[in-house]
Parts: sequence; C-alpha cells; structure tokens
Amino acid sequence: DIQMTQSPSTLSASVGDSVTITCRASQLLNSWLAWYQQKPGKAPKLLIYQASTLESGVPSRFSGSASGTEFTLTISSLRPDDFATYYCQQYHSPPLTFGGGTKVEIK
Amino acid sequence: QVHLVQSGAEVKKPGASVKVSCKASGYTFSNYGINWLRQAPGQGLEWMGWIYPDSGNTNFAQKFQGRVTMTTDTSTSTAYMELRSLTSDDTAVYYCARNRAFDIWGQGTMVTVSS
Repeated sequence: DIQMTQSPSTLSASVGDSVTITCRASQLLNSWLAWYQQKPGKAPKLLIYQASTLESGVPSRFSGSASGTEFTLTISSLRPDDFATYYCQQYHSPPLTFGGGTKVEIK
Repeated sequence: QVHLVQSGAEVKKPGASVKVSCKASGYTFSNYGINWLRQAPGQGLEWMGWIYPDSGNTNFAQKFQGRVTMTTDTSTSTAYMELRSLTSDDTAVYYCARNRAFDIWGQGTMVTVSS
C-alpha cells in the first residue's frame, strides 16, 4: 500500500496569510494526487487533481505542486472561508489512500 | 447539475448488515467509477473500494474483503454498498464519490452501530 504522510497536522494562521501543506508519498505517484477541503459536517470538496490542476470553480489562490514524492498545497492570502481541514489522496494504485489531514485554524 | 444522493441515516445492532444507496444524476452513470469511503467520528477519510458500473468490476481495500459488497443498477443509476457483520468500529459517515480523483461526492450517510 502507498503511505501518505501529511504535515503539519494543525496549522494556525491569520486571514491574509499564505500557508503551505505538504504530503509525502511512499513511492512515486506520476502526479496522481488530489487535494480536498473538508468543513465540519460536510463532504470533502475536490480542490486540485493531477497534483497541480485546479478543479473547475476553485479559486486561484489554491495551487498545487510536486517534486518527486513530495507534494504541496499552497493557499495564498487566506480567506475566512478557507479555515477547514485539508487532505491529500493518491490515486496511482489501489488501495487509494489519504494523508492524515491538516486542520487550518484561525490564529 | 451532477449529483450523488445517498440514502438516510441508519442505526444497526452489532452483527447486523447495512446497505447504503447512492443515486446519480446529471451525467452518464456507466461512464464513471463509484467509490465508497467512510469517516469515523473525528477521524480521517478511509477508502473502502470502487465499482465500475459498465463492467461491474470491483476493487476492495483488504480490510473490507469478504465483508463488503458493492453493486450498481444502471437502470436507475444507483450504486449500493452493503457491509456485513457490523461492529461499533463501523460507526461512521459513509460516502460515495465519483471517479478516482473524487470530483463529486454524496452528502454522506451516518451509520451508527450500537447495542
């Protein structure tokens, strides 16, 4: 199974800050990686797929990048609506696996 | 608009089975795989498996092998997930989601296992 190690688990930031979340895979994924945002009591929402492609309708302040087995999600200029939990997910091969999540909290 | 609408909350006794449905609309159901995932209270997301409606091909996470069944009814564009021999550890919100990068999600179905 491909292990996904996501960090940090919690991140405190202010409105307007730029934040970066990292996910490291246990093997190469050929960019088959997605990022999701989840708010309490709601289903996750796809933000980015194929490591860096923005899903339709997602604001451009969200961006993704990849280098080898390391993937990053960057949110530039945090807005109040961005405080949520974020997950990475590999879809290179089953079982599809997730990182442990990063909760972005208001500082 | 593309939607996945799931069946309502369930309360089950230990040892029972639960069957959750996921009705698709707004797209050609047979063209996309349907995944089932779950999220225990306060925990992260766990993939259970997928099914491709056109072929019926399935792939399950090892921990659910032998205990889960996934089916589809293409005439009603509905996917089903049945989980058997429930324990309290199966208490979770169960989601269906389309595609391998989960672009469309159901609203979730809370399954509570309690004696």
